[in-house]
Amino acid sequence: AQKITQTQPGMFVQEKEAVTLDCTYDTSDPSYGLFWYKQPSSGEMIFLIYQGSYDQQNATEGRYSLNFQKARKSANLVISASQLGDSAMYFCAMKRGSARQLTFGSGTQLTVLP
Amino acid sequence: SAVISQKPSRDICQRGTSLTIQCQVDSQVTMMFWYRQQPGQSLTLIATANQGSEATYESGFVIDKFPISRPNLTFSTLTVSNMSPEDSSIYLCSVGTSGLLDTQYFGPGTRLTVL
Repeated sequence: AQKITQTQPGMFVQEKEAVTLDCTYDTSDPSYGLFWYKQPSSGEMIFLIYQGSYDQQNATEGRYSLNFQKARKSANLVISASQLGDSAMYFCAMKRGSARQLTFGSGTQLTVLP
Repeated sequence: SAVISQKPSRDICQRGTSLTIQCQVDSQVTMMFWYRQQPGQSLTLIATANQGSEATYESGFVIDKFPISRPNLTFSTLTVSNMSPEDSSIYLCSVGTSGLLDTQYFGPGTRLTVL
């Protein structure tokens, strides 16, 4: 069975600093995709970034980058130059080869301090 | 990315009643999913809404409690039946293609409170 683990229930970061949110996964499928979503207090789920299991390079999208370490089965999200608007819940999710739905981790509540 | 709308955005309902949530997409999509997010929890998949056929439910979710319709490739409904306070959650519609790396996009969610 596939599983996503986020071990940081809450994180604090100073404005303008970088922060890393941890995500580890477990699957026996060789093909899978890893996704990060942001959920502000409004409840909507905002897609941030994804990484495919066969991708050689780490994904980047603006201030977001994904530190993908396949051998360690980790897919950490790095947010550079944090902004107050980054305060939200962040979810790591996985889609594996034989399924098309997402499996989510428990989430990390990020608070950016002024 | 697809633009997804949900109605209602929030509702407060009495125990024992039912609520139907609508999900509308601005383009045809292959896959539509319904998720539940209980307070302080992560998202859990309820079912995959299949166009023209019965939805595929995940373990722990049954059609009698969560009937789903998908009459076409742009619209789906989720009904929460015979509600109890335990059904108080955010219900999210999600759409995507069948591609492994294709992003799944979410609607704004429906925040349901059952008294």
